[in-house]
Amino acid sequence: KNEVEQSPQNLTAQEGEFITINCSYSVGISALHWLQQHPGGGIVSLFMLSSGKKKHGRLIATINIQEKHSSLHITASHPRDSAVYICAVSGSRLTFGEGTQLTVNP
Amino acid sequence: GAVVSQHPSRVICKSGTSVKIECRSLDFQATTMFWYRQFPKQSLMLMATSNEGSKATYEQGVEKDKFLINHASLTLSTLTVTSAHPEDSSFYICSASAGIGRNQPQHFGDGTRLSIL
Repeated sequence: KNEVEQSPQNLTAQEGEFITINCSYSVGISALHWLQQHPGGGIVSLFMLSSGKKKHGRLIATINIQEKHSSLHITASHPRDSAVYICAVSGSRLTFGEGTQLTVNP
Repeated sequence: GAVVSQHPSRVICKSGTSVKIECRSLDFQATTMFWYRQFPKQSLMLMATSNEGSKATYEQGVEKDKFLINHASLTLSTLTVTSAHPEDSSFYICSASAGIGRNQPQHFGDGTRLSIL
């Protein structure tokens, strides 16, 4: 079992839909990161959080430390949101989930 | 702010060639830089961590003589794949952090796609 598990692996949505990507982890962490990897490979850090909730534009990230679970929400999804979303946790090192491939169709 | 530039973005070369990849922090001082490798449809795999002015720390299974890392300044780290072979073909991506420690944000480059013929 991976230390960081994401679900779903693949997600297809219609433009405008509300999207949720989940991340569960099994190790002690100091922080959790949500990353966005574009088709070309470049990675953008979206959030780093250790408790509660953060919001940036249409993106919302939440974390429940007791349940070892985090969610990334995208409101009013748009085709340009299509990317791989990666959950990573900071323990002794940064450990990555396998990513969620999101495709938003117009 | 916090821009990391990685160059080149793509390399295609013959087997036996050594390839150097540069990772630069453009607007901050990168105390720590990380080098990752990513195979298709897989997650990032940490290869090594480098702190400015000291030797890189390599992850288990990563050959340090094969993947030479230099972090000579606070804005530049290089990864050299020596005598590259087809099995070294992969996507390599660096990240940089302004501090030392587990909770420092990491800023990623755009990656280098390496293809060895």
